[in-house]
Amino acid sequence: RKEVEQDPGPFNVPEGATVAFNCTYSNSASQSFFWYRQDCRKEPKLLMSVYSSGNEDGRFTAQLNRASQYISLLIRDSKLSDSATYLCVVGAGTPLVFGKGTRLSVIA
Amino acid sequence: GAGVSQSPRYKVAKRGQDVALRCDPISGHVSLFWYQQALGQGPEFLTYFQNEAQLDKSGLPSDRFFAERPEGSVSTLKIQRTQQEDSAVYLCASSLGTSGGALYEQYFGPGTRLTVT
Repeated sequence: RKEVEQDPGPFNVPEGATVAFNCTYSNSASQSFFWYRQDCRKEPKLLMSVYSSGNEDGRFTAQLNRASQYISLLIRDSKLSDSATYLCVVGAGTPLVFGKGTRLSVIA
Repeated sequence: GAGVSQSPRYKVAKRGQDVALRCDPISGHVSLFWYQQALGQGPEFLTYFQNEAQLDKSGLPSDRFFAERPEGSVSTLKIQRTQQEDSAVYLCASSLGTSGGALYEQYFGPGTRLTVT
């Protein structure tokens, strides 16, 4: 079983839609959780950290479920500019482990 | 302030050549990480420095790969006798520290795209 697993997609959604990604992790000792966004041929950029209580940043909401060992990312009111690959990242100390990413295409 | 910078951005090497990839982290960031990213994959950890100390090199794929950070700031990843399977994007990231939370958030450079012919 891979340490961090994500559905590779692609998720093709219309503008304005709500879309959710899940990610599962295998190391129960994991303490750090992040979502990164990566545009084609660019470096990953930190989207948000994921806290135990869940957190929201504008149209983006992240949740952590330690019991089931998954994290989620919800994007509301999708914009064309949200089209990218979303990387789930988990760490139990160093190093961080990256998932392969979920590709999102928002269509006009 | 300035982000993480990497050079060169693109490198084409003939099989068997040695290459050196440079990373300049964000000023004041204690931790520095190297990753390898193949097409369609997430970044794979190679090695990690805290200041000048290389604390983890478990991800280096072979003894042809060597990394250093002699003064605790700029780092160099060297690949000796390059092979075609070394073709990938090499990403460098830095973070303030490793104690968790915001200290642990990693910021990436633009990467070096290495093509071995």
